[in-house]
Amino acid sequence: SQQGEEDPQALSIQEGENATMNCSYKTSINNLQWYRQNSGRGLVHLILIRSNEREKHSGRLRVTLDTSKKSSSLLITASRAADTASYFCATVSGGSYIPTFGRGTSLIVHP
Amino acid sequence: KAGVTQTPRYLIKTRGQQVTLSCSPISGHRSVSWYQQTPGQGLQFLFEYFSETQRNKGNFPGRFSGRQFSNSRSEMNVSTLELGDSALYLCASSSGAGYNEKLFFGSGTQLSVL
Repeated sequence: SQQGEEDPQALSIQEGENATMNCSYKTSINNLQWYRQNSGRGLVHLILIRSNEREKHSGRLRVTLDTSKKSSSLLITASRAADTASYFCATVSGGSYIPTFGRGTSLIVHP
Repeated sequence: KAGVTQTPRYLIKTRGQQVTLSCSPISGHRSVSWYQQTPGQGLQFLFEYFSETQRNKGNFPGRFSGRQFSNSRSEMNVSTLELGDSALYLCASSSGAGYNEKLFFGSGTQLSVL
């Protein structure tokens, strides 16, 4: 079963614009992770944010976490065509080491 | 370091057959997890092996099984294939030492069941 659910399901923007994706989850978490998947390939880890953290940055990526609302957002600034991919949030909860993935947001960045 | 290697990359099987997929984790990683990805269901967790023992298991029927060898390489087996087993099967490795670890994924095996 999915723990995290991404929104929107699909996003289409122009190069240079910012892209924001949201993730909501149901139960308390140890951490929340964001991954990227290029078409038909494996997932690549982007950022991990722990439950006691509120914001993290990595290059053009900014992730926020609001545990009171059980939600997270991923912001990609100054998008490039190469950012075209599916983006997944994954949560780690309770005593499990296993990330549970949402269905993903499909991002298309037009050159 | 070499990444996670999955073989084969593509497989075509017919209903009723069985299939074995292989995964070689990053050197030094002791945890290997398997996921099934389909357009309708997204990424579904199958099972995780750590030091040759199944440590976690998802909600899949017994037709799906796996094992891990002493060198941490893992295989998963699907017996009596059904059309609905068509999917991208992804393997991921990590050290398995704690909660705050990221997964390193292979490129996956695309299984088509005809």
